[in-house]
This record gives sequence, structure tokens and C-alpha cells, in this order.
Amino acid sequence: SAVISQKPSRDICQRGTSLTIQCQVDSQVTMMFWYRQQPGQSLTLIATANQGSEATYESGFVIDKFPISRPNLTFSTLTVSNMSPEDSSIYLCSVDGVDTQYFGPGTRLTVL
Amino acid sequence: QKEVEQNSGPLSVPEGAIASLNCTYSDRGSQSFFWYRQYSGKSPELIMSIYSNGDKEDGRFTAQLNKASQYVSLLIRDSQPSDSATYLCAVRGAGNNRKLIWGLGTSLAVNP
Repeated sequence: SAVISQKPSRDICQRGTSLTIQCQVDSQVTMMFWYRQQPGQSLTLIATANQGSEATYESGFVIDKFPISRPNLTFSTLTVSNMSPEDSSIYLCSVDGVDTQYFGPGTRLTVL
Repeated sequence: QKEVEQNSGPLSVPEGAIASLNCTYSDRGSQSFFWYRQYSGKSPELIMSIYSNGDKEDGRFTAQLNKASQYVSLLIRDSQPSDSATYLCAVRGAGNNRKLIWGLGTSLAVNP
């Protein structure tokens, strides 16, 4: 499986600001996914990011709030814009491997 | 709406016992089935995948799939305290859609 890193690992932000989360993979992957996991909850898919095309967002998530970049086959960013306390969560990137998805370590975001 | 259902637990078993985790899914066309383990504060890690009816064994773990009844289960033999975690069931449908549909997870506590 691929080795996936995320930056930052955690952050505390003020409401109304934005945070960009980076996801780096040690091998080229076609498809990357961004998830949110709120405390005690399961995974919620935000969007699917393919290199060279616009991200595909799930119901309830919009590009203005969660813009995603995918400039190459090893890197992606997710921005959480105009944050509110409801955005406090763990944000996970995952990559589509040979059989299933593999996850980065996550970014723990707290919005005050 | 494609759904994956799991008992939230907590499931509590004594050390050395067999832990049995169950998952049902609604999409009869589902083709791939996965069990992930998630320790508190960590990201999910894949522990088992299964694609055809029957049992698949890997060490102390056995995955069981019954497509006619639309359920998949995970047995953990000789449970250890280190197995205490949340177990997530994920299902992928047929075709080129690489998204996973996630259950809410079952919390397992193995008591020494």
C-alpha cells in the first residue's frame, strides 16, 4: 500500500478563516478521496479528486466551501473555507489502491 | 440510497473469546467488501477484504460473505485487548465506481 502523509496533523483556527490541508502520496495514484469524520461518527465522503479534472463533490458539500486541488498524481489539497465551529472534525485523505482505499493519518481541526 | 448497517455496540468480549461483528448492505449488486479497524485517534486501516461467497481466513481474522442474504461478518478468534477498536464495514458496488459505502462502525472492547 502507498505511504500517505498529511499536513498539518492538527490545527486550531478562528471562525471565518480558511485552512488548507495537504495530502502527499509516495506513488502515483489516479484517484484520491477526501473524508470528514466528526467525533464518534463514521466517515463521510466530501469529494473525489482525479488528476486533471474537477473534483466530484458529494451531496451536502460544495466547491466554494471545500475547494480541492489535484495538480499531479501524488498530491492534493483540501481547503476548508470560512470556517465555523461545525467544521471541527478530522479530515482524512485516502488513495485508491489496487483493491481498496488507504488512508493518511488525518488532520484534526478545531474551530473556535 | 445505498446503505451499510452495523450494530454500533459496544461489543464487549473477554480476552481469548471469539468476537463476531456483523454488517448488512442494501445494494445487491455490491461486489467488494472490506473490514477496516480504527483505533481511537487514528485513521482506518484495512484488515480484511472479501469478494466471493464463503469464508476467508487471515491469522486470527475470518471474513464471511453471504451475498444471497446480503451480509458480511468478521470473526476475531482469541481476542486480545489490542483488538479493542472500532471496526468499520465498507462496501463497493459493481462497475467503475471506486467509492466505498461505509457503515457507522462497531466498537469492540476486549476485557483482560
